[in-house]
Amino acid sequence: AQSVTQPDIHITVSEGASLELRCNYSYGATPYLFWYVQSPGQGLQLLLKYFSGDTLVQGIKGFEAEFKRSQSSFNLRKPSVHWSDAAEYFCAVGAIDDYKLSFGAGTTVTVRA
Amino acid sequence: GAVVSQHPSWVICKSGTSVKIECRSLDFQATTMFWYRQFPKQSLMLMATSNEGSKATYEQGVEKDKFLINHASLTLSTLTVTSAHPEDSSFYICSARGGTTDTQYFGPGTRLTVL
Repeated sequence: AQSVTQPDIHITVSEGASLELRCNYSYGATPYLFWYVQSPGQGLQLLLKYFSGDTLVQGIKGFEAEFKRSQSSFNLRKPSVHWSDAAEYFCAVGAIDDYKLSFGAGTTVTVRA
Repeated sequence: GAVVSQHPSWVICKSGTSVKIECRSLDFQATTMFWYRQFPKQSLMLMATSNEGSKATYEQGVEKDKFLINHASLTLSTLTVTSAHPEDSSFYICSARGGTTDTQYFGPGTRLTVL
């Protein structure tokens, strides 16, 4: 069975500072890995995804994530956060055969001025 | 591209009534659609997977007779919550996957409140 752990429930970061969100997964084979962002009143938006190849993945809005197989991790980073980055972030792992996604519990990001 | 809509965005109903939620892929054909449920401050829990023209596959613990799913066309799936009760109040989100893409695109969700 696949599962995702996001250890940080809530992170507060100053505007302009760097951000890193942690994600650990459990999956028996090569996983599909995703990061989604959910803003209040809006649907989930895909930030980036990893299927294979280069382990450093670039996404939208200046986000990037690094797949580390040895650590079963797929951490999300942004060098300099903007106030508009305040949202809920979900890491998800997908099965290759049926595309079902398992989501982590989410990390709430608060950006202070 | 890859826009998914849901209707209604919110609904309030009385206990015992049924509610239908629509999920549409607006600019692509969705071979597979997924229905999730999200409780406040919690993650998304997959309820069921539906493929066009076939019966939905429900996750363990999800009552198929309570949550009826119909994927009648390549752009529309519906979730009907039958005989709704207050414990069915939640945020319901659909997603769609089209063709050979490995990515799910999510709708904005429907807030259901059962009084």
